[in-house]
Amino acid sequence: EIVMTQSPATLSVSPGERATLSCRASQYIRDNLAWYQQKPGQAPRLLIYGASTRATGIPARFSGSGSGTDFTLTISSLESEDFALYYCQQYNKWPPVTFGQGTKVEMK
Amino acid sequence: QVHLVQSGGGVVQPGGSLRLSCAASGFSLGGYGMHWVRQAPGKGLEWVAVISYDGRDENHADSVKGRFIISRDTSNNTLFLQMNSLRPEDTAVYFCAKDRFTPKVGSRVRTTTGFDYWGQGTLVTVSS
Repeated sequence: EIVMTQSPATLSVSPGERATLSCRASQYIRDNLAWYQQKPGQAPRLLIYGASTRATGIPARFSGSGSGTDFTLTISSLESEDFALYYCQQYNKWPPVTFGQGTKVEMK
Repeated sequence: QVHLVQSGGGVVQPGGSLRLSCAASGFSLGGYGMHWVRQAPGKGLEWVAVISYDGRDENHADSVKGRFIISRDTSNNTLFLQMNSLRPEDTAVYFCAKDRFTPKVGSRVRTTTGFDYWGQGTLVTVSS
């Protein structure tokens, strides 16, 4: 099973600032990685798939990069609705698909 | 417009059973793989099970294998998760999710490219 490790666990950012979230896979996963956003009491929402392709309706301030084992989700200028939990997911070698433990983006 | 509406869930004693349902609209279950994902209180996401678009293949996480069964009813466009021999560690919010990948009809390729639509989640509590 591929283990996904996200860092940091918590990121404190002010509105308007840039947020950079990291995700590392325990094995090579090409670009078979997705990012999700989850707000309290809600289901996750797909942000990015294929490591860098924005899902339908996702604002351009969200961008993904990386390939192989190291990946990054960048939020270029944080808006109030972006404070949430973010998960990465690998689907290169599955089942099972596996998720990272999450990064909480909180207001500084 | 795609919607996934979940029902079922609740409180059950250890060793008991429960069936979760996920009614899909806006697309056909016969065209996409479907998944169950769970989230224990205050914890991260854990994939539980998948059924292929053609219904010919199912896979379950090791943590639920032999106890949970994923299935579907294409005539009612509804996905199910039958949960037996429930344990306290199964306590979680359970989500159904649609696979983003669009397989070619007749394809035996089993792949995923992320989960693009999710149900609202339903809480399962296993406690005596």
